[in-house]
Amino acid sequence: DAKTTQPTSMDCAEGRAANLPCNHSTISGNEYVYWYRQIHSQGPQYIIHGLKNNETNEMASLIITEDRKSSTLILPHATLRDTAVYYCIVRVVGNQGGKLIFGQGTELSVKP
Amino acid sequence: DVKVTQSSRYLVKRTGEKVFLECVQDMDHENMFWYRQDPGLGLRLIYFSYDVKMKEKGDIPEGYSVSREKKERFSLILESASTNQTSMYLCASSILQVGTGELFFGEGSRLTVL
Repeated sequence: DAKTTQPTSMDCAEGRAANLPCNHSTISGNEYVYWYRQIHSQGPQYIIHGLKNNETNEMASLIITEDRKSSTLILPHATLRDTAVYYCIVRVVGNQGGKLIFGQGTELSVKP
Repeated sequence: DVKVTQSSRYLVKRTGEKVFLECVQDMDHENMFWYRQDPGLGLRLIYFSYDVKMKEKGDIPEGYSVSREKKERFSLILESASTNQTSMYLCASSILQVGTGELFFGEGSRLTVL
């Protein structure tokens, strides 16, 4: 699975959009981009995933560049409860479901 | 909602003890995973299983074994616990389907080995 690079930490003001970048320059054509987050003392929580097209759900939007070498997770109106570590993962999803390899993630602090 | 339940949130064991960490999921998922999480190292995959009685090594299987006798249950076994196995252990499950594969995690089991 391709490696991802994320900033170690970011701050965001409450109510503003949080834009979390991820580089995955070695991604191959059959690898999906996944985002998870982990709030302190809890298990990671799935947010969103995509292959080529931009994706949106009730939690966030995922913007993938045309060359697929980077992506951005957007939390449109960050709240204090969005303070967490956010993990960007690329993964081949195959017959065996694929395994997720987590990196260090970005620690997002949402401030009042 | 999918529920992944880990048997213990906190355990304290002594060096050399045999430790069982149990994980049960209620959504009939084919895939199950065990990770450990340590500060500065992120989540690291220990073992995973994509079917009953099937298992595959992850990135750090040494010192661990697993058992999957029933589809809903995946156990992690430390045959002889050591202090370097003090960690947070996370179980996860997912369906077996191309194009999806969202993982659902349990709350974690924090193991301290003295």
